[in-house]
Amino acid sequence: RKEVEQDPGPFNVPEGATVAFNCTYSNSASQSFFWYRQDCRKEPKLLMSVYSSGNEDGRFTAQLNRASQYISLLIRDSKLSDSATYLCVVEGGRRALTFGSGTRLQVQP
Amino acid sequence: GAVVSQHPSRVICKSGTSVKIECRSLDFQATTMFWYRQFPKKSLMLMATSNEGSKATYEQGVEKDKFLINHASLTLSTLTVTSAHPEDSSFYICSANDGGGDEQFFGPGTRLTVL
Repeated sequence: RKEVEQDPGPFNVPEGATVAFNCTYSNSASQSFFWYRQDCRKEPKLLMSVYSSGNEDGRFTAQLNRASQYISLLIRDSKLSDSATYLCVVEGGRRALTFGSGTRLQVQP
Repeated sequence: GAVVSQHPSRVICKSGTSVKIECRSLDFQATTMFWYRQFPKKSLMLMATSNEGSKATYEQGVEKDKFLINHASLTLSTLTVTSAHPEDSSFYICSANDGGGDEQFFGPGTRLTVL
């Protein structure tokens, strides 16, 4: 079983749509959780951290369910510029990160 | 945010040669840096943790004699791919934490192609 599992997609959605990504992780001792964004052939960039209380940053909302070991990302009012691969990331100790395989989003005009 | 650079950004080499990749934290000191590898359409996989002034910690399945890591200063870690082979062709990315929070800052990556 992979440590961090994501649906690879692709998710093809029209501009303005709401799209949700899910992720599960296997290590119940994990402490920190993130969503990163990676554009084609570029390095990943932090989108947002994920907390049990949930957090929102503009059009992006992230939620963590520790009991189910489940993380989600909701994007509202999708923009063309949101097209990218979204990586679910878990900090596995020593600050080293474990990445999911990513979910590809393509927002279409 | 903090800045991490990598050099070179792209390298093409012949099979059997060694390639050195540098990772620098430009505006902060990093006692620990991380090296990841990403194959096409795959996720980033942690290769090793680079520790300033001590030996690197390698993940299972990563050969320490093939991927030499040197973290000689608080702002520089190097990864040397020794006797590179075509299967080593990949995107190598380093990251570091500036100690101010949870965020890891990634270098722009080095794309290695071994012919």
